[in-house]
Amino acid sequence: QLLLHESGPGVVKPSETLSLTCTVSGGSLSVGSNYYWVWLRQPPGKGLQWIGTVFDSETTDYNASLQSRVTISLDSPKNQFSLNLASVTATDTAVYYCARLEYRSFVFDLWGQGTLVTVSA
Amino acid sequence: EIVLTQSPGTLSLSPGERATLSCRASQNVNSNYLTWYQQKPGQAPSLLIFGASLRATGIPDRFSGSGSGTDFTLTISRLEPEDFAVYFCQQYDKSPLFGQGTRLEI
Repeated sequence: QLLLHESGPGVVKPSETLSLTCTVSGGSLSVGSNYYWVWLRQPPGKGLQWIGTVFDSETTDYNASLQSRVTISLDSPKNQFSLNLASVTATDTAVYYCARLEYRSFVFDLWGQGTLVTVSA
Repeated sequence: EIVLTQSPGTLSLSPGERATLSCRASQNVNSNYLTWYQQKPGQAPSLLIFGASLRATGIPDRFSGSGSGTDFTLTISRLEPEDFAVYFCQQYDKSPLFGQGTRLEI
């Protein structure tokens, strides 16, 4: 059974970079299949926002509203993918989820449990 | 950009009752890419319905989805205690976008 697990600091200072890693266990983070890898977030008590998708080591797609600050990268040998979000402010406080995108139906079919990141001095 | 509006914001019902949740798009959506998720408190969302009407693996048949164009509906025929949660619709046009959610409460 494939499992996703987010890890990283729970608190980040304003203007700094938020960095999270998603580790995939119980299977392969295989490139070139119908599955790709995404980051999403959910501010406390609010709705869901897609941050971006990584397709392979060179191909990504980002939410236009975050594009100038976001980098998502893939480390297939380690079965990990990562999120960097630069110049954070309090509005970036959220639960961050990594998930799998099934690319035929465009659904997020597997999710990590999420990790709360608070932006605070 | 397509906007998804869910209604009602909160739906108060009792176990055994029927729930009807609406997701309206600001422009036509490809129903193949209209998805519903369930989120319980403190948990990640989980896949419920995809392709507007197809139940994900393990989802009981009391859950059904319907609709096309701009109007989509999630129906729970007879509410069980574990169904009280927040439900989100999502579409995938140029990029994924979610509705703001409907909270289904007892």
